[in-house]
Amino acid sequence: DAGVIQSPRHEVTEMGQEVTLRCKPISGHDYLFWYRQTMMRGLELLIYFNNNVPIDDSGMPEDRFSAKMPNASFSTLKIQPSEPRDSAVYFCASRGGASDTQYFGPGTRLTVL
Amino acid sequence: QKEVEQDPGPLSVPEGAIVSLNCTYSNSAFQYFMWYRQYSRKGPELLMYTYSSGNKEDGRFTAQVDKSSKYISLFIRDSQPSDSATYLCAMSAIGGTSYGKLTFGQGTILTVHP
Repeated sequence: DAGVIQSPRHEVTEMGQEVTLRCKPISGHDYLFWYRQTMMRGLELLIYFNNNVPIDDSGMPEDRFSAKMPNASFSTLKIQPSEPRDSAVYFCASRGGASDTQYFGPGTRLTVL
Repeated sequence: QKEVEQDPGPLSVPEGAIVSLNCTYSNSAFQYFMWYRQYSRKGPELLMYTYSSGNKEDGRFTAQVDKSSKYISLFIRDSQPSDSATYLCAMSAIGGTSYGKLTFGQGTILTVHP
């Protein structure tokens, strides 16, 4: 299995631009999680889905952030407009079946100038 | 106050030392406890997990949970330079509205030098 796949791995953009991060979970997994990691705040859960339905988006910082999961094999996290304080590493993770283990992707390192 | 507190370190030890990493938590609903290891510029990977109080061993690693004190630990015996990484504790409730949601500690940066 290829594991969780994220793209792009690195993104540099200017303030005000739209940013779209992509995730492909492990096949067969029914939970998908989006996290943000910074030195100051550590790893924070932004939103998670179960069977493509958003369950808890209480971690989404503000309306500039949105996430979708149109099917079981694809999810996006969009930031519009982006701000320098959004600079962080964004991780996607998935989980499946009876296991409570979350498997993380390699992350997308976002820099907003 | 954060639900999960973890000393961010950094922690630097010589090869062969015993390492102790710790987390405290405040949410009594947490029943599932994990340790993740994260190498530089990589995603976290699960190292160990446990549901119960007491000790769980896996090779050089021992996870310890004390639910009465709301305290968990990870011990690494005979530490190796390849153990140099950030170690994150994570925990979740089982069932209820928080099911599936992990809360992570800040992470402890560990360096094992030869």
